Amino acid sequence: DTGVSQDPRHKITKRGQNVTFRCDPISEHNRLYWYRQTLGQGPEFLTYFQNEAQLEKSRLLSDRFSAERPKGSFSTLEIQRTEQGDSAMYLCASSESPRERYNEQFFGPGTRLTVL
Amino acid sequence: AQTVTQSQPEMSVQEAETVTLSCTYDTSESDYYLFWYKQPPSRQMILVIRQEAYKQQNATENRFSVNFQKAAKSFSLKISDSQLGDAAMYFCAYRIDTGTASKLTFGTGTRLQVTL
Repeated sequence: DTGVSQDPRHKITKRGQNVTFRCDPISEHNRLYWYRQTLGQGPEFLTYFQNEAQLEKSRLLSDRFSAERPKGSFSTLEIQRTEQGDSAMYLCASSESPRERYNEQFFGPGTRLTVL
Repeated sequence: AQTVTQSQPEMSVQEAETVTLSCTYDTSESDYYLFWYKQPPSRQMILVIRQEAYKQQNATENRFSVNFQKAAKSFSLKISDSQLGDAAMYFCAYRIDTGTASKLTFGTGTRLQVTL
């Protein structure tokens, strides 16, 4: 296990379709984060899991978005009824629970979504 | 709400020279972390350097160092002896840890070009 992986790397879909992305964190990392990055902007926080529990959700995560981490390992992010404004890079990151004060978030390569 | 501001959309530096990227942030917290992340073109984001707010000493990692001014809420990154491989987007980020919350808040980024 060399890092956080995300699948697919690219997704092109038509407006109104549903899409699902997958993130596999680094083994033994029990914290998992989703961020969204639009062109020319920094990543924005979407949601965060500790093990299988979703502990925080951003206002950016509308009711069309749902994230799961059923067994506390991989996570999925689903977008229903996609809109052109959903076009962005979706980044996943993982970290250990902090045994010390600091725990680094390791990022995956991202899934680039284009909604036509 | 916490905000992070990077006022330099683009910077350019000649190989072997030194460049400083600026970042300011706004927070009412006293205990937090600050980070600089590097995002090369089409590659994943990696951590460059971090600073704990309770530490007065500026962090240093090889050619990378920060100037942390807590009272001024300023956190600049200095890259010495710039190399072609330093060309990337650089994001300043802020994080607090309040039990369950450990999300990163990013600035809009600075694109660094390195010229021969």
